[in-house]
Amino acid sequence: NAGVMQNPRHLVRRRGQEARLRCSPMKGHSHVYWYRQLPEEGLKFMVYLQKENIIDESGMPKERFSAEFPKEGPSILRIQQVVRGDSAAYFCASSYNSQGNTIYFGEGSWLTVV
Amino acid sequence: GESVGLHLPTLSVQEGDNSIINCAYSNSASDYFIWYKQESGKGPQFIIDIRSNMDKRQGQRVTVLLNKTVKHLSLQIAATQPGDSAVYFCAENISGYSTLTFGKGTMLLVSP
Repeated sequence: NAGVMQNPRHLVRRRGQEARLRCSPMKGHSHVYWYRQLPEEGLKFMVYLQKENIIDESGMPKERFSAEFPKEGPSILRIQQVVRGDSAAYFCASSYNSQGNTIYFGEGSWLTVV
Repeated sequence: GESVGLHLPTLSVQEGDNSIINCAYSNSASDYFIWYKQESGKGPQFIIDIRSNMDKRQGQRVTVLLNKTVKHLSLQIAATQPGDSAVYFCAENISGYSTLTFGKGTMLLVSP
């Protein structure tokens, strides 16, 4: 987990509000991944980004969810108009490239929708 | 170590025992496999990986075995310690593709 920084670690939002989760990859890594984990389940892929590009968003819900990884600054996962079902742990991971290099995870952001 | 409904399969061992955690992967095209350890409230921590051109790989106190014929992966932990208590996930990947596909996890409980 060393080096992948996520914030906030815990976030509480009321239904209908927006949630923004931030991720800074490990130094030297330009590939960022977001995963979601529901209680007692494995991680589910959401989106894969490189700087300024979304490479694969096949796991991302079509509505309310968006992700970006700007040229400068952290990657952002944005959830608009949150619902209770969005409550989960959201993990960011990074790698040096996409060719089978080890993917390292951050400590996660726990979103609770009340 | 397969998931049953919403409850994680659990392996309970005594400190000092050897532990074996199993995983059946789904895609015969997968050629890279990783074991992660996840403690409560934390992110997955890389333990060991193996590529499909190998059957076995050893690390410090851990060994991963890969049986491609039956699409089975196992993690062996020698001399299990209370600090090894966590949920263990296997993950599979196809080279050139970005995503990891995770199994549902096995909870390892180590009693002192």
